[in-house]
Amino acid sequence: DVKVTQSSRYLVKRTGEKVFLECVQDMDHENMFWYRQDPGLGLRLIYFSYDVKMKEKGDIPEGYSVSREKKERFSLILESASTNQTSMYLCASTVHPGAGGTGETQYFGPGTRLLVL
Amino acid sequence: QQQVKQSPQSLIVQKGGISIINCAYENTAFDYFPWYQQFPGKGPALLIAIRPDVSEKKEGRFTISFNKSAKQFSLHIMDSQPGDSATYFCAVPASGTYKYIFGTGTRLKVLA
Repeated sequence: DVKVTQSSRYLVKRTGEKVFLECVQDMDHENMFWYRQDPGLGLRLIYFSYDVKMKEKGDIPEGYSVSREKKERFSLILESASTNQTSMYLCASTVHPGAGGTGETQYFGPGTRLLVL
Repeated sequence: QQQVKQSPQSLIVQKGGISIINCAYENTAFDYFPWYQQFPGKGPALLIAIRPDVSEKKEGRFTISFNKSAKQFSLHIMDSQPGDSATYFCAVPASGTYKYIFGTGTRLKVLA
């Protein structure tokens, strides 16, 4: 059974704190993603990684950074948390698409609900 | 920036009724269109997907209909049940990358 786990379900942090969100997948997937989910805005991609030490900015990377030192682990870092980063954060993973693109299922973790005070 | 337009934002259906959610896109990297289902407190999970060598795919009570010329696809839930109450997201492969663009979500409530 495939599994994506996230280090915390709920987090409360203060403005200006450095925040680490961890994600681990046990499926040997090449691609990993970080999204934030906000009401009415759906899922917005923050960063993704297609290989160890490789990363690409998503649609809303400002204020965030990522780290992928091992294939199974993808970390999201809020360098200096702000109140507008209060959100649900979702991690996902998938295999590389096949040649010409075949479409692969994204497997999501349960999410981390972050509150920045 | 590529957009995916999903409608309606929320939907209330009586038990046994049909739920219909629509998605429209501008461009796609390749023809693969999934729908994800998310229950409260959980991450989204793949519900059904279509690779449109066909215009329709059915799995149980769930059907995807696809209109390539209109760049639209929709999710139909037949005989809707209270257990179908969830948020539904469509997704479209973004051109030239590994990533997907998700719709804004539809919150479905099925009344008992």
